[in-house]
Amino acid sequence: GQSLEQPSEVTAVEGAIVQINCTYQTSGFYGLSWYQQHDGGAPTFLSYNALDGLEETGRFSSFFSRSDSYGYLLLQELQMKDSASYFCAVRGKNYGQNFVFGPGTRLSVLP
Amino acid sequence: DAGVIQSPRHEVTEMGQEVTLRCKPISGHNSLFWYRQTMMRGLELLIYFNNNVPIDDSGMPEDRFSAKMPNASFSTLKIQPSEPRDSAVYFCASRLTGGTSYEQYFGPGTRLTVT
Repeated sequence: GQSLEQPSEVTAVEGAIVQINCTYQTSGFYGLSWYQQHDGGAPTFLSYNALDGLEETGRFSSFFSRSDSYGYLLLQELQMKDSASYFCAVRGKNYGQNFVFGPGTRLSVLP
Repeated sequence: DAGVIQSPRHEVTEMGQEVTLRCKPISGHNSLFWYRQTMMRGLELLIYFNNNVPIDDSGMPEDRFSAKMPNASFSTLKIQPSEPRDSAVYFCASRLTGGTSYEQYFGPGTRLTVT
């Protein structure tokens, strides 16, 4: 089955860089996704890594290493609006393992 | 595009009552997902449809839960009878399978409270 682990909380100041890690135990999956969710809102897609390496989208970057069962989301030039929960997610290849989300990391950006 | 539409946005009901949640996916999307989110269990996939056919319903908690997708533009999630432990936010999401993006588009959610 799928099991993902993330830190529960991270705190940083405006302008800083923060890395949110995601480790997983899985029997096989297609890739690693990241979603952002503000309080009271719906998850919104940030990135997807199908292959090992770093994907950059503006201030956000996502890294994936299939062999190390590890990935991370890197947020640069933090802004107050980045305060939210961040979820990693995998899509498994087998019944019962589709679209498993991690427990989420709550990021607080301080002035 | 209006995005994924869910109704109602809030539902308060008494234990034992039937609850029906509705979802309209983004036009042209062929995959639809129902998720449940609670503080204790996080975001869980309940069921996943592709081209209106249920592909993975392993997350449906028990027989009290049922989901249908009669056509490409509408899906329902029904709970009968409802119990207090069903209180949660229920999200519907859709995506275009086979496209270049792996993004799922989430609706605003239905906050269900069972008393």
